[in-house]
Amino acid sequence: DAGITQSPRHKVTETGTPVTLRCHQTENHRYMYWYRQDPGHGLRLIHYSYGVKDTDKGEVSDGYSVSRSKTEDFLLTLESATSSQTSVYFCAISERSGGTYNEQFFGPGTRLTVL
Amino acid sequence: AQTVTQSQPEMSVQEAETVTLSCTYDTSESDYYLFWYKQPPSRQMILVIRQEAYKQQNATENRFSVNFQKAAKSFSLKISDSQLGDAAMYFCAYKAGSQGNLIFGKGTKLSVKP
Repeated sequence: DAGITQSPRHKVTETGTPVTLRCHQTENHRYMYWYRQDPGHGLRLIHYSYGVKDTDKGEVSDGYSVSRSKTEDFLLTLESATSSQTSVYFCAISERSGGTYNEQFFGPGTRLTVL
Repeated sequence: AQTVTQSQPEMSVQEAETVTLSCTYDTSESDYYLFWYKQPPSRQMILVIRQEAYKQQNATENRFSVNFQKAAKSFSLKISDSQLGDAAMYFCAYKAGSQGNLIFGKGTKLSVKP
């Protein structure tokens, strides 16, 4: 299994509070991604990173920010959590070789509940 | 924009039988990849099979195989000799060759009856 951990694995918080989710990898992969999974929507891309300090927005980025100060860590921050951000959050990593992106490996997920 | 559609929210199969999960996609790209992911109750996303668009031969991984119809933009997953451990959510996903991120369908929940 790819070395990807997410912390915390479960979190319950209140509306309006800041929340930071952490993704940590030991594979030295360049590309990292944050997805959210909601019933009836599959997984949707929030933000991604293509290197240290290089990030870009995905399909559902509103209300989220990210940071990547080290290759191994990719942080997802909800500045002021809302109930609509209750979801399961997945981190994924991938590498690129010969111009081709290799398969993505997923972390175990974080279940976030915003009351 | 690329889209992925899974038209079967739920499917059921008898143990040892064969089941086919449907997936269609829309893209104007010529270079892309298609995937099937399995998500058991543990929530872990597990890659089942992948298909490169430039390959005409359908991918196979043990009991899992795909029927890739490029012109019809169809990518179905066939599970043969279904086992109880195959019960899970199955997601079809698309990736453009020039990009790293995946676009997922909404998923199909597969139940396996003993």
